[in-house]
Formats: sequence, C-alpha cells, structure tokens
Amino acid sequence: DVKVTQSSRYLVKRTGEKVFLECVQDMDHENMFWYRQDPGLGLRLIYFSYDVKMKEKGDIPEGYSVSREKKERFSLILESASTNQTSMYLCASGTDGSYNSPLHFGNGTRLTVT
Amino acid sequence: DQQVKQNSPSLSVQEGRISILNCDYTNSMFDYFLWYKKYPAEGPTFLISISSIKDKNEDGRFTVFLNKSAKHLSLHIVPSQPGDSAVYFCAASWGGSQGNLIFGKGTKLSVKP
Repeated sequence: DVKVTQSSRYLVKRTGEKVFLECVQDMDHENMFWYRQDPGLGLRLIYFSYDVKMKEKGDIPEGYSVSREKKERFSLILESASTNQTSMYLCASGTDGSYNSPLHFGNGTRLTVT
Repeated sequence: DQQVKQNSPSLSVQEGRISILNCDYTNSMFDYFLWYKKYPAEGPTFLISISSIKDKNEDGRFTVFLNKSAKHLSLHIVPSQPGDSAVYFCAASWGGSQGNLIFGKGTKLSVKP
C-alpha cells in the first residue's frame, strides 16, 4: 500500500517565521504535489514536481517555495509565514507511468499562523 | 474561473437511500474524471474514476455517470451508509498528466441513520 507521510499533523507558527512542511512517499513515485485545502475553496495546487530538482508552479504559488533533493521527499517552504497561510496542507504523490492513475495523499498538516 | 464545479456544498440523505453527488465542468479537453472521498483529519482517498470514452463506471455501491454533451458527471451511492459521510471531491484531468488535475470545491455528504 502506498504511504505518503507528512511529518507534522499540527503546527503553530508566528507571523514572519520560516516554516518547513515535509513529505515522504515510499512508492518510488516520480510526481509529488502540495495542495492546500480551505473551507469553500476545495483543494488548490501550490507546487508540484515531476522529478528530483524539478518544480512547477501550481495555481497559488505566491508566498511558497519547494525543494525536492531526493525522489521520495518533497518539502514545502513558507518563506515568511502570514496569517492568510493558515490552512490544511496536503501532500500527494503519483505516477504518470500508469495512465491516469490516481494521486495518493498524506493525512495533512494543519498549520496555524498567529 | 472554475473549471470543475460542485454546486452543492452539502447533501443530507437517509441511510439506505441513494446519494447523488453532481459535478459540472467547462473544459472540453478533460478526458478523465475522478472522485475522491475525504474524512476529517485525513487526506483524500481515491474512490472511482471514469474515462471520457465511457458513460458509466461501477464499483460496488458506487457508480459514476458521465454526460459529455452536458459536461456533467454524477456519483451515485446505493445504498448510502453512515460511514459514507464525508466530503466528496470531483476532479478532472487531460492528457494523462497528474499535473493537469483540477479539483472541485467538494460536497459534504451526511448520511443519517
């Protein structure tokens, strides 16, 4: 079974702090994604990566950056956290090798910025 | 500009009855559609999918119908069970690339015993 692990379930950070959200997958998937989920807005794509050291902007990349130094690990970085970045963050992995295979999600990190 | 729309934020159904969740899309390039289910404090999990070359796909109690001319798909759950209570996300993609996946805003289903 595919496992996508997000390092923290809950985080509380102060405005202006640099925040790192970590995600690890164990299925050798080439694709990894970061979404945020907000009430009434659904799932919105922040960044994704097709391969090590590669990254692509999603729909809402402003205020975020990512790092993928190893295939299994994809990090989301909030350079200077702001209160409007309080949200549920979801990491996902998948492969385009099997046409239209679904994404596998982690359990999420609930980030609160005060 | 929403390309995938779930116009009902919530739906309440009695246990044992049918649940019908609807999804509309605007992009004619979409060729694959998926439904995900999400419980509170968990990540979304894949439920069922359908290719644009089909109009129906069934998996146990779950059936997805696709009407390409109307750009509409629906998820039917029969019979509904209390454990089906969750948020359901419709998603669509094109070209076989997961990077093209677009989600709707979700519908919260409540199945009452």
